[in-house]
Amino acid sequence: EADIYQTPRYLVIGTGKKITLECSQTMGHDKMYWYQQDPGMELHLIHYSYGVNSTEKGDLSSESTVSRIRTEHFPLTLESARPSHTSQYLCASGGHAYNSPLHFGNGTRLTVT
Amino acid sequence: RKEVEQDPGPFNVPEGATVAFNCTYSNSASQSFFWYRQDCRKEPKLLMSVYSSGNEDGRFTAQLNRASQYISLLIRDSKLSDSATYLCVVNLNTDKLIFGTGTRLQVFP
Repeated sequence: EADIYQTPRYLVIGTGKKITLECSQTMGHDKMYWYQQDPGMELHLIHYSYGVNSTEKGDLSSESTVSRIRTEHFPLTLESARPSHTSQYLCASGGHAYNSPLHFGNGTRLTVT
Repeated sequence: RKEVEQDPGPFNVPEGATVAFNCTYSNSASQSFFWYRQDCRKEPKLLMSVYSSGNEDGRFTAQLNRASQYISLLIRDSKLSDSATYLCVVNLNTDKLIFGTGTRLQVFP
């Protein structure tokens, strides 16, 4: 079983609030990712990181930001939440080899009212 | 054309049936391939990697056809618990995996 954790599991918050979604992994993986997924829809990559101090934007434009100060930690921040940010956010990590699969956390379901 | 394409389904099959899904990919340089399973409102979980020579894990068989640029997943003796969305995933030898939109399987009694 993969050791990657996301908190909170569920979050309901008002418009305009700043929020940080936490993601931690204990596998020493260099590569970490954030995906956004609406119910019944496909996964969209919003951010990824190859290692400490490395962050890149994904394929889907997002108003969120990420940081990677420690290998095990890859938090995602929304400075000012809006109802359009309501979605499920999935964090994943992968090993160094190109053929390493991704392991996902159990997600944060965000609702912005 | 999408980089990874899957029939969204749903595939509705009775228990005990054999069902197969295909997934096509557009980039011939793609290097590694996976099948993930995703239950409703849960995270994707790795089902199996797909190797060049094909591989089997219990009731599940994965195949790769590089010439025609597709991978397949065969499920034998379907169980009710197999009901889920099956995601095809392709890696171009980069650090980004490309996910398909998924094929939904519903196994009925």
